[in-house]
Amino acid sequence: DQQVKQNSPSLSVQEGRISILNCDYTNSMFDYFLWYKKYPAEGPTFLISISSIKDKNEDGRFTVFLNKSAKHLSLHIVPSQPGDSAVYFCAASVGTYKYIFGTGTRLKVLA
Amino acid sequence: DGGITQSPKYLFRKEGQNVTLSCEQNLNHDAMYWYRQDPGQGLRLIYYSQIVNDFQKGDIAEGYSVSREKKESFPLTVTSAQKNPTAFYLCASSIVSRDYEQYFGPGTRLTVT
Repeated sequence: DQQVKQNSPSLSVQEGRISILNCDYTNSMFDYFLWYKKYPAEGPTFLISISSIKDKNEDGRFTVFLNKSAKHLSLHIVPSQPGDSAVYFCAASVGTYKYIFGTGTRLKVLA
Repeated sequence: DGGITQSPKYLFRKEGQNVTLSCEQNLNHDAMYWYRQDPGQGLRLIYYSQIVNDFQKGDIAEGYSVSREKKESFPLTVTSAQKNPTAFYLCASSIVSRDYEQYFGPGTRLTVT
């Protein structure tokens, strides 16, 4: 049973536009949420996180939004750049060290 | 140049053989992790270790074993008891207080036939 779901396996966006990647979760006990980015032939790299006590966290072009009532997490990338083309994983924590990852969304930013 | 190395990149084994996957880090991180990724699934935690000589089972530890004799090293052994060992294996490390920011290696793809 997937507790963290990324229902869109892929997404294409024009360069300069906004990319919105979505993630849904089922466990209301999750207290921390993350986004990781993965390029081919490399391991995932940490991108941004948000605590369950917040509803927004921003870091440069990346903003994560948390809607606890809807159990929904989203990552906004503005403006999108070709170098952002990668697979993006969301993850959620039920406690220290243990994170549950989604299946990933492949983002392609078109030049 | 700090980072995590996993070797080899590709590994092939016959069914019934144990195989050990290497993971080394020079980031001075106390915490280390092993994940497994299968097609269409997210990363699943196999084992994690917060400190040398201590490790904890993750969600899918059955058929796997680990050791943490040195801070830098966290090898994973896939035993013959693991029913479906063919997968992509990722090792990661982190500072204990920032476990959400894990640094991943490039992974090892294990194929068992």
